[in-house]
Amino acid sequence: GDSVTQMEGPVTLSEEAFLTINCTYTATGYPSLFWYVQYPGEGLQLLLKATKADDKGSNKGFEATYRKETTSFHLEKGSVQVSDSAVYFCALTPSGNTPLVFGKGTRLSVIA
Amino acid sequence: DSGVTQTPKHLITATGQRVTLRCSPRSGDLSVYWYQQSLDQGLQFLIQYYNGEERAKGNILERFSAQQFPDLHSELNLSSLELGDSALYFCASSADRGRDTIYFGEGSWLTVV
Repeated sequence: GDSVTQMEGPVTLSEEAFLTINCTYTATGYPSLFWYVQYPGEGLQLLLKATKADDKGSNKGFEATYRKETTSFHLEKGSVQVSDSAVYFCALTPSGNTPLVFGKGTRLSVIA
Repeated sequence: DSGVTQTPKHLITATGQRVTLRCSPRSGDLSVYWYQQSLDQGLQFLIQYYNGEERAKGNILERFSAQQFPDLHSELNLSSLELGDSALYFCASSADRGRDTIYFGEGSWLTVV
């Protein structure tokens, strides 16, 4: 079935470091891809999305490009801040009416 | 604020009891989803309703049930609660049946003691 694999965490970075969180997927058809973020004690917030191959989603300095050839949707940010500390979830919506399938999440801690 | 409202935010109850979690979707959204987030299982899809009808079923236990009412709000009923049911339960909504962006509420924290 459809699935998402994220890099294991936790990831600890210093402020202003470059961030990459890897995400690969397995899906039939042409899924839409998402990154959600969960700040401590809060719910899930949509961070960015891409709906077709080569699309780049971006928001708040984060970017991810839909790579069909490598079935990947890696999250990147050029300079992280302490306020970016959160759990990041990669997810996909398979073709048809199936709801979101999530990866296990990657916890990011940014230290000053 | 995603526009998805969940109540209660926190709930503590005893084993064997029954609770109801309530969700109001974003205005205009017809699909409602329920997810369970626990430390060991991650985010698990439970069930989806679209305009009052069940559309997809995930890893929902037989002790759990849900429904979506004519005004589109939804309730998740959890019965014969066990310690392992302690988790964060999310409701989410989208405009259509699944291809549109899904927006999440802040969740209902359930603790079973």
